[in-house]
Amino acid sequence: NAGVTQTPKFQVLKTGQSMTLQCAQDMNHEYMSWYRQDPGMGLRLIHYSVGAGITDQGEVPNGYNVSRSTTEDFPLRLLSAAPSQTSVYFCASSPLKVGGPPYEQYFGPGTRLTVT
Amino acid sequence: KQEVTQIPAALSVPEGENLVLNCSFTDSAIYNLQWFRQDPGKGLTSLLLIQSSQREQTSGRLNASLDKSSGRSTLYIAASQPGDSATYLCAFYFTSGTYKYIFGTGTRLKVLA
Repeated sequence: NAGVTQTPKFQVLKTGQSMTLQCAQDMNHEYMSWYRQDPGMGLRLIHYSVGAGITDQGEVPNGYNVSRSTTEDFPLRLLSAAPSQTSVYFCASSPLKVGGPPYEQYFGPGTRLTVT
Repeated sequence: KQEVTQIPAALSVPEGENLVLNCSFTDSAIYNLQWFRQDPGKGLTSLLLIQSSQREQTSGRLNASLDKSSGRSTLYIAASQPGDSATYLCAFYFTSGTYKYIFGTGTRLKVLA
């Protein structure tokens, strides 16, 4: 099992450019999520999904889009990059208990994004 | 509002010391709690998961406990080693939330040889 994989590892964008951060998991987990991590602010949830075709907003969704067409993949799209989106982005996945919450979370290695 | 606080933000101890990291929360309606370790420039590694019906979990030199009445979880590290140096984060999944984990800001631990 590769677990949770993220690409790219590093990215530099100019203001206004768009791009997609890729996330894939091979554990057949229903729940997937995207976080950003900024110094002194901990991890903040951007978007999450509880299964293919189902997504919802987290704490800081503005400027980001997601879709979930398969169980394995959960890409994060930056529509028009801004310097405030400079951050480290983590993808995570969890199995879902039947009728209940996510179980143990597994994290990818992260994507370090700089917007100039 | 559900809040999670980790104090201290940073801690430096000599090798061999037993230590306790604290995580406080404001909402006792918890489904589960997870402790993570994060090395510089790396992702998060899961250490321990405690479900709401449990009081503690142990893995090797690590023991995590959950006390919902006092709003606190502690991570106990026995006989600390320089390799334990990392940032430790707690994350709570609250029953009144909507599929969201709330993270603390972490405690940065340095164990001196």
